[in-house]
Amino acid sequence: AQTVTQSQPEMSVQEAETVTLSCTYDTSESNYYLFWYKQPPSRQMILVIRQEAYKQQNATENRFSVNFQKAAKSFSLKISDSQLGDTAMYFCAFMKDTNAGKSTFGDGTTLTVKP
Amino acid sequence: GAGVSQSPRYKVAKRGQDVALRCDPISGHVSLFWYQQALGQGPEFLTYFQNEAQLDKSGLPSDRFFAERPEGSVSTLKIQRTQQEDSAVYLCASSLVHGVEQYFGPGTRLTVT
Repeated sequence: AQTVTQSQPEMSVQEAETVTLSCTYDTSESNYYLFWYKQPPSRQMILVIRQEAYKQQNATENRFSVNFQKAAKSFSLKISDSQLGDTAMYFCAFMKDTNAGKSTFGDGTTLTVKP
Repeated sequence: GAGVSQSPRYKVAKRGQDVALRCDPISGHVSLFWYQQALGQGPEFLTYFQNEAQLDKSGLPSDRFFAERPEGSVSTLKIQRTQQEDSAVYLCASSLVHGVEQYFGPGTRLTVT
């Protein structure tokens, strides 16, 4: 079974600065997907960024980028130029490369962006 | 188009009551997922449908939990004889067939008193 660990329950960052959220996972699969989801307070979860394990290049989406280290089973999220709207719970998730689509989530990191 | 919708958004049930939670996926999305999210934790997989077929129900915590999607669109998660440990947010997500990206609904917060 796959496990996903987020070791930082809470983090804070000043507006306009950069913050990195950590995620490690454990799997015996060779092909899989990794995700970062954002869940703002009282709002629904949305996908921030995803990474296919077979791709060596790290994914980027505007101010969001990942550092994917397959051998180390590490998948961190970097948020540049943090904005107040980035305040949310962030979840790291794993999905096997099958058509099942079942995702395994970490317990999340609460990020607060301070003005 | 419209996103995933869930109803009710909040449900309070007395211990022992039965509840039914509804999910309307995005039109055309073949896959539908249910997750349970306890307070302060990440979502945990409950069950998965492809069209009307329930392909994986390995996450359902007990036989009190039952899910259906009879016409391959709307899905209902039913919990019989609710217990306090069932208190959680129940999330529904949908995706295109074999789609990697799941779109989540706002969830139903169930409180069992």
